[in-house]
Amino acid sequence: DIQMIQSPSSMFASLGDRVSLSCRASQGIRGNLDWYQQKPGGTIKLLIYSTSNLNSGVPSRFSGSGSGSDYSLTISSLESEDFADYYCLQRNAYPLTFGAGTKLELK
Amino acid sequence: DVQLQESGPGLVKPSQSLSLTCTVTGYSITSDYAWNWIRQFPGNKLEWMGYISYSGSTSYNPSLKSRISITRDTSKNQFFLQLNSVTTEDTATYYCARFRAPFDYWGQGTTLTVSS
Repeated sequence: DIQMIQSPSSMFASLGDRVSLSCRASQGIRGNLDWYQQKPGGTIKLLIYSTSNLNSGVPSRFSGSGSGSDYSLTISSLESEDFADYYCLQRNAYPLTFGAGTKLELK
Repeated sequence: DVQLQESGPGLVKPSQSLSLTCTVTGYSITSDYAWNWIRQFPGNKLEWMGYISYSGSTSYNPSLKSRISITRDTSKNQFFLQLNSVTTEDTATYYCARFRAPFDYWGQGTTLTVSS
């Protein structure tokens, strides 16, 4: 199975900050990497697919980049609704595997 | 709009089988996509469990392969998860989700506790 390592596991940030979350795969995944957001209450929402494509309705302050085995999600200017858990998913090979998540908290 | 809604018993005893239902509205599960089950353990780890495709083919996580079955009722636009011989390790929130690279629609999740 492809292992997905997310870092940091948690971080504190302030409104307006620029933050980057990292996801590293145990092998190259050819850009087949998605990012999901989960807010308290459990709803999971697709943010970015195929490394850098913004899902419909997702604010443009979210962006994704990466290649090979290293990927990142960047939020350019944090807003209050962005404090949540973020997960990466590799879909280059089955079984599909998720990272353990990054918890983004308000400083 | 596409919506997915999980339902299930909430509590199952160890060694029993769990059965969950995902009811899909706004899209036919026989038109396209793969229809998946994903679970989230206490502590938030997410695990992909498997899918049934629009054509009825299935794929399962090898970690579950001997215990899992995903089936469907096309007349009700529902698909189902059955997991046999459950243990307390199967306590989790179970989500259904639509997939064609990526998972674009998710249900709200249903919590399942395995306890005697």
